[in-house]
Amino acid sequence: RKEVEQDPGPFNVPEGATVAFNCTYSNSASQSFFWYRQDCRKEPKLLMSVYSSGNEDGRFTAQLNRASQYISLLIRDSKLSDSATYLCVVILYNTDKLIFGTGTRLQVFP
Amino acid sequence: DTGVSQNPRHKITKRGQNVTFRCDPISEHNRLYWYRQTLGQGPEFLTYFQNEAQLEKSRLLSDRFSAERPKGSFSTLEIQRTEQGDSAMYLCASSLERSGVGEQYFGPGTRLTVT
Repeated sequence: RKEVEQDPGPFNVPEGATVAFNCTYSNSASQSFFWYRQDCRKEPKLLMSVYSSGNEDGRFTAQLNRASQYISLLIRDSKLSDSATYLCVVILYNTDKLIFGTGTRLQVFP
Repeated sequence: DTGVSQNPRHKITKRGQNVTFRCDPISEHNRLYWYRQTLGQGPEFLTYFQNEAQLEKSRLLSDRFSAERPKGSFSTLEIQRTEQGDSAMYLCASSLERSGVGEQYFGPGTRLTVT
């Protein structure tokens, strides 16, 4: 079983739609949580950190449920420029390496 | 450009040849990471350095792989006796110790094709 699991998609949504991605992690020693974004044939870039209290950055909201070992990302009012792969990432306690999920591909169409 | 740079960007080699990739991190970053990414998968951790010390190696890093960071600045990743299964994107990332955990800055990658 992969340490971080995501639905690979693709999610095809119209501009203006709200879309949600989920991610589960298996290691209870997971300490820190993130969403990275990766455009086609580009490097991953940090989108946002994820906290138990939930956090919001503009149209993006991330949520963590430690009890269920579940992370979510909500994108409101989707833009064409949101089309990318969204990678769920965890870091285990006392390490510094990023553990990535397979990524969820989002395609926003006009 | 002050981001992470990697060379070469593309490498095609024949099975059994040795290849070496270079990564130049952001200048003030003392941590440097190597990851490997294949099509349809997320990046997988290979190894990382703090300054010149190699602190962790994945079991993905077989004895054909070696990484160095001799002066705590740039790093090289060498693959000996390449196999077709080594074909992948090799990504380098850097970060500052004591930065927000998870803030790793990635380079554009070196795409390796083994024929």
